[in-house]
Amino acid sequence: EAGVAQSPRYKIIEKRQSVAFWCNPISGHATLYWYQQILGQGPKLLIQFQNNGVVDDSQLPKDRFSAERLKGVDSTLKIQPAKLEDSAVYLCASSLGGHTNHEQYFGPGTRLTVT
Amino acid sequence: AQSVTQLDSHVSVSEGTPVLLRCNYSSSYSPSLFWYVQHPNKGLQLLLKYTSAATLVKGINGFEAEFKKSETSFHLTKPSAHMSDAAEYFCVVTLYNTDKLIFGTGTRLQVFP
Repeated sequence: EAGVAQSPRYKIIEKRQSVAFWCNPISGHATLYWYQQILGQGPKLLIQFQNNGVVDDSQLPKDRFSAERLKGVDSTLKIQPAKLEDSAVYLCASSLGGHTNHEQYFGPGTRLTVT
Repeated sequence: AQSVTQLDSHVSVSEGTPVLLRCNYSSSYSPSLFWYVQHPNKGLQLLLKYTSAATLVKGINGFEAEFKKSETSFHLTKPSAHMSDAAEYFCVVTLYNTDKLIFGTGTRLQVFP
């Protein structure tokens, strides 16, 4: 089965510019997650979707970050305007549903560098 | 609140020798615990998970971990390291009664020939 797809794989932008990342989860997976992984740290959850509804966005910096999953399938994460501290790898993951026993499958990530 | 502490940021072993990656957890409840592996430029992959069944959990690629409640530990081991095991390893706990993953800071495993 195809895994979680993300694009682009790498992105370099200047501070105050905007950027968008795309994620296509595994077919049939209802739950989609976006994580931010800063160098030297473990991933931290930014936002979780169940189908096309937001389950948890408590850690999303809403003044500059936004995310949507309009048709309950693929998702986009946007940063506008970007700051230097947004440099990180942005990981998308999906699972069958919001249950502790359901494995989360991760995509390869998008490495963002803000200069 | 649930959390995990990975006791070593870097571990170096020779090929063919045992691997031990240490993780302590903090949880007010019986936790679900995981180990994930991240190879360079690849996505995180689940190695194994503990969900209150057998305390000795076997995972992929010869890895296993033992849940020790008395020591609040969930150390990852492998009897014989292979060059392909070189990667970043994350110990993970779920927030109580949710699917939210709380990651440790990671342990980078180096394997020398």
